[in-house]
Amino acid sequence: EVQLVESGGGLVQPGGSLRLSCAASGFTFSTYAMHWVRQAPGKGLEYVSAIGNNGDSTYYADSVKGRFTISRDNSKNTLYLQVGSLRADDMAVYYCARSGIRGYYDYWGQGTLVTVSS
Amino acid sequence: EILLTQSPATLSLSPGERATLSCRASQSVSSCLAWYQQKPGQAPRLLIYDASNRATGIPARFSGSGSGTDFTLTISSLEPEDFAVYYCQQRSNSWTFGQGTKVEIK
Repeated sequence: EVQLVESGGGLVQPGGSLRLSCAASGFTFSTYAMHWVRQAPGKGLEYVSAIGNNGDSTYYADSVKGRFTISRDNSKNTLYLQVGSLRADDMAVYYCARSGIRGYYDYWGQGTLVTVSS
Repeated sequence: EILLTQSPATLSLSPGERATLSCRASQSVSSCLAWYQQKPGQAPRLLIYDASNRATGIPARFSGSGSGTDFTLTISSLEPEDFAVYYCQQRSNSWTFGQGTKVEIK
């Protein structure tokens, strides 16, 4: 069974940073691209970042470019998102998602909440 | 950036009725469009990919159509579990989502 489990969210002050993790199991992690998608409270879904299966290619939404860094450790079956210079509008549930069938998000984690507040 | 505009924002229907949701892209995305369903407190679930292909385990009452800039998700007869928010998403040029359509019980 495919499972994606996020962790690392929490309360952080404006300007602060966190590292989010997504532990994958039930599939060959190293053969799939992975994404982060976020959802602000009561709002819609927003693509954040993507990484190729071997980590060589990374992509970012303009809203997070230069502040967030995506990475992965295929030996640990884990995806990461280093989030920095956090602002109030970064507050959201952050989901990791597998880029599966035809490049769409076929599996999602349960999300981890990042709260930005002083 | 390709913008996706969904309409209507809210659709009020009764169980058994047909739901028709629209997604319009600001430029052509060919058939590179998916639909997701999200229920409160849950992660989204992939329903339709490449505009018209049902994902594994998705009931036949869900169907998708369209190409280029205009897409439709149709739920032929609403079941109680179908009341949720639906998002379209394109992967033709980067990745973007529509703002969502809420299907609520009338």
